[in-house]
Amino acid sequence: SQKIEQNSEALNIQEGKTATLTCNYTNYSPAYLQWYRQDPGRGPVFLLLIRENEKEKRKERLKVTFDTTLKQSLFHITASQPADSATYLCALRTGGSYIPTFGRGTSLIVHP
Amino acid sequence: DARVTQTPRHKVTEMGQEVTMRCQPILGHNTVFWYRQTMMQGLELLAYFRNRAPLDDSGMPKDRFSAEMPDATLATLKIQPSEPRDSAVYFCASGPGGSNYGYTFGSGTRLTVV
Repeated sequence: SQKIEQNSEALNIQEGKTATLTCNYTNYSPAYLQWYRQDPGRGPVFLLLIRENEKEKRKERLKVTFDTTLKQSLFHITASQPADSATYLCALRTGGSYIPTFGRGTSLIVHP
Repeated sequence: DARVTQTPRHKVTEMGQEVTMRCQPILGHNTVFWYRQTMMQGLELLAYFRNRAPLDDSGMPKDRFSAEMPDATLATLKIQPSEPRDSAVYFCASGPGGSNYGYTFGSGTRLTVV
């Protein structure tokens, strides 16, 4: 069956370091991969979208990579700040569908 | 900033009662989703509309749940009768047509069925 895996353990890092979050998938051929941020009591907020034919996408301090051979996406936040503390969700879409399927998310905690 | 508006924000109801949740998508967005989020299951798709037509409701328990878009500014999700296992946060999300976009989520309705 299709599976999207994100680390269920929280990632704790020190302010100023680079945070790297992982999204792995199996039995899936996504054409698009999205990353969202979710704060407690709020809905997810869209951050970045990357297509299967793109290796890397950047937006300010954010960088996403997409390796269809490894079936993995990495999400990096450089120069992390305590305000970056949140849960980050990856979501996959196949080419024939507009419906994103979400991973369970990974909590990031940035310590001052 | 344009936003997706969901009402109510919180709802506590007794088992067996009908619950209606409402969503106002962003004007011009033709794609609307309903998701349910729990600690155990994460975000699960309940319903998907495109141009107000329901295209996927396979994730929705049909015997008690129903989703509609009576017009382009309103999407509704009804549960009748509600059960304690329906307790969750229900999110509505909308997006423009096209593949290059993410979706905008509302703040959710936190439902507690006692």
